[in-house]
Amino acid sequence: QKEVEQDPGPLSVPEGAIVSLNCTYSNSAFQYFMWYRQYSRKGPELLMYTYSSGNKEDGRFTAQVDKSSKYISLFIRDSQPSDSATYLCAMSEYSGGYQKVTFGTGTKLQVIP
Amino acid sequence: NAGVTQTPKFQVLKTGQSMTLQCAQDMNHNSMYWYRQDPGMGLRLIYYSASEGTTDKGEVPNGYNVSRLNKREFSLRLESAAPSQTSVYFCASFRTESYEQYFGPGTRLTVT
Repeated sequence: QKEVEQDPGPLSVPEGAIVSLNCTYSNSAFQYFMWYRQYSRKGPELLMYTYSSGNKEDGRFTAQVDKSSKYISLFIRDSQPSDSATYLCAMSEYSGGYQKVTFGTGTKLQVIP
Repeated sequence: NAGVTQTPKFQVLKTGQSMTLQCAQDMNHNSMYWYRQDPGMGLRLIYYSASEGTTDKGEVPNGYNVSRLNKREFSLRLESAAPSQTSVYFCASFRTESYEQYFGPGTRLTVT
């Protein structure tokens, strides 16, 4: 079993829809939870990170962490065609002298105008 | 401010050839990483360097070597390329204050 599981999609939604992206994990040592966005043929870029259980909002994006269920989500409100990308969840723990980051496999999102 | 730069952007190698992927960051970060990204596998850590002068193996180090030349530069070497090393390679540096990894644009490597 992978430490981080993420539905690969693809997910196709109409412009303006609310998008929900999810990951589950098994490692209780994970401390930080992140969402990265990766456009085609580009490197990933950080969207949001959270430390504790609960919600964190940034504009149209909300990250949610439920440590008791080992489940994290990213919600995108009023989705735009420019949101079309692959979204990677990532989780980190301090291990062996460095911040070890484990990535999900990514969910490909297409927002249709 | 260039962030993380990688060269080359594309490379085709024949089996058995060697090459070095270059990475540099101008953000004064201590930690740097090399990942490979394959369809359905996500990003997998090859090697990391927690600080200048130190390097350690990640999840998939076999067939690779690294050099942390100075604080800015972290190179990845394939001594004898194999088709299984066909992948997209990303270098990243780590900003401790925000737990953010900054990624380079990637190198697309094909080994025939």
